[in-house]
Amino acid sequence: QEQLVESGGGVVQPGKSLRLSCVGSGFTFRSYGLHWVRQAPGKGLEWVATISYDGSNKFYADSVKGRFTISRDNSKNTVSLRMNSLRAEETAVYYCARGPDYYYYMDLWGKGTAVTVSS
Amino acid sequence: DIQMTQSPSSLSASVGDRVTITCRSSQAISNYLAWYQQKPGKVPYLLIYSASTLQSGVPSRFSGSGSGTDFTLTISSLQPEDVATYYCQKYDSGPFSFGGGTKVDIK
Repeated sequence: QEQLVESGGGVVQPGKSLRLSCVGSGFTFRSYGLHWVRQAPGKGLEWVATISYDGSNKFYADSVKGRFTISRDNSKNTVSLRMNSLRAEETAVYYCARGPDYYYYMDLWGKGTAVTVSS
Repeated sequence: DIQMTQSPSSLSASVGDRVTITCRSSQAISNYLAWYQQKPGKVPYLLIYSASTLQSGVPSRFSGSGSGTDFTLTISSLQPEDVATYYCQKYDSGPFSFGGGTKVDIK
């Protein structure tokens, strides 16, 4: 069946870096846009970043622009999020999500990976 | 950037009630709006896209309407399994932001 599985979460100190990965299976990965969305404890959904089907277009929330980088490897059905200079307020569950390319809604979500930024 | 505002932030209704949630964008976004349901402790789930198109498998008691700046999600007859937080999301252009959410529970 179609699924997305995230990995790479954990505990990291403020100012440090972390790389999240998400592997897709059961669908034609290279045909879809991919997203990262986060949810802080007890809070709502926050869109973080989006990458087009071929990686040619990337979009970032203002709060992460210049610090986070989204990338994808269609040969490995993988999308990644490199997070630099992490802040305590970025403690959250990070979800990988898929959607049609160009129309960037999200029709399949992974279960998420938890990131805790704490000293 | 365009802001997405949902109202109410929470509501309590009886089983069988008609429930309406509103999402307003600070600028027109045509019909580039999606609605998601997130049950407690679960992953978000797509209900509606293009403001009014029901995702496959979603019960027909859910419907969406609107265009431009004002959108609604309606549950025609609230069921116990509809207890969740509902989010709207714009996708006309970046940033693809979400509304703040509406928490729905049973009275």
